[in-house]
Amino acid sequence: GESVGLHLPTLSVQEGDNSIINCAYSNSASDYFIWYKQESGKGPQFIIDIRSNMDKRQGQRVTVLLNKTVKHLSLQIAATQPGDSAVYFCAETLQNFNKFYFGSGTKLNVKP
Amino acid sequence: EAGVAQSPRYKIIEKRQSVAFWCNPISGHATLYWYQQILGQGPKLLIQFQNNGVVDDSQLPKDRFSAERLKGVDSTLKIQPAKLEDSAVYLCASSLGNNRGPYGYTFGSGTRLTVV
Repeated sequence: GESVGLHLPTLSVQEGDNSIINCAYSNSASDYFIWYKQESGKGPQFIIDIRSNMDKRQGQRVTVLLNKTVKHLSLQIAATQPGDSAVYFCAETLQNFNKFYFGSGTKLNVKP
Repeated sequence: EAGVAQSPRYKIIEKRQSVAFWCNPISGHATLYWYQQILGQGPKLLIQFQNNGVVDDSQLPKDRFSAERLKGVDSTLKIQPAKLEDSAVYLCASSLGNNRGPYGYTFGSGTRLTVV
């Protein structure tokens, strides 16, 4: 499979601060990227996606940035809340949306 | 709508024993996936079904793992015989399978397997 990795395995932030989680991918042909959130004992949950023809996409409190030049993704969470504590994965797909390659994850700890 | 159902939630077995996991996808979802998630790692695709046919099983260790989806709905994943390194969470996911993207791709809560 393709190599998808994360720079920081653990990130601790204060409640109310903004969080930035980074991810590097290796295949320049990847054209669709997803961020997933996984809480303890649960399966990954879709957060936000972005296509390769975009460099930014915003959702509710979350923003994904894509830099294709350096093959880098980031997930920004605004006003981080305790409920955001989880492991976050980036995943990439290769054109057909049906095969996903996941990174190893970043654990986000939100301190009250 | 109901989510992806998996059972059992937890399983502890001794090495060389056999184990089976069951998945019931979301109604109407044609595509079903089994992923293996080792502690501290991201999920790794084991096998992908489209209805009752296998689309991709290139990363399935076929000497010990098998999976089926006979009627194109429920699926079972079996390990026989289990090894210590098979300890992981086994996640099932399903999607509509019509290239609508991963928002139609839903994971179950997984089965946590411990091989001792």
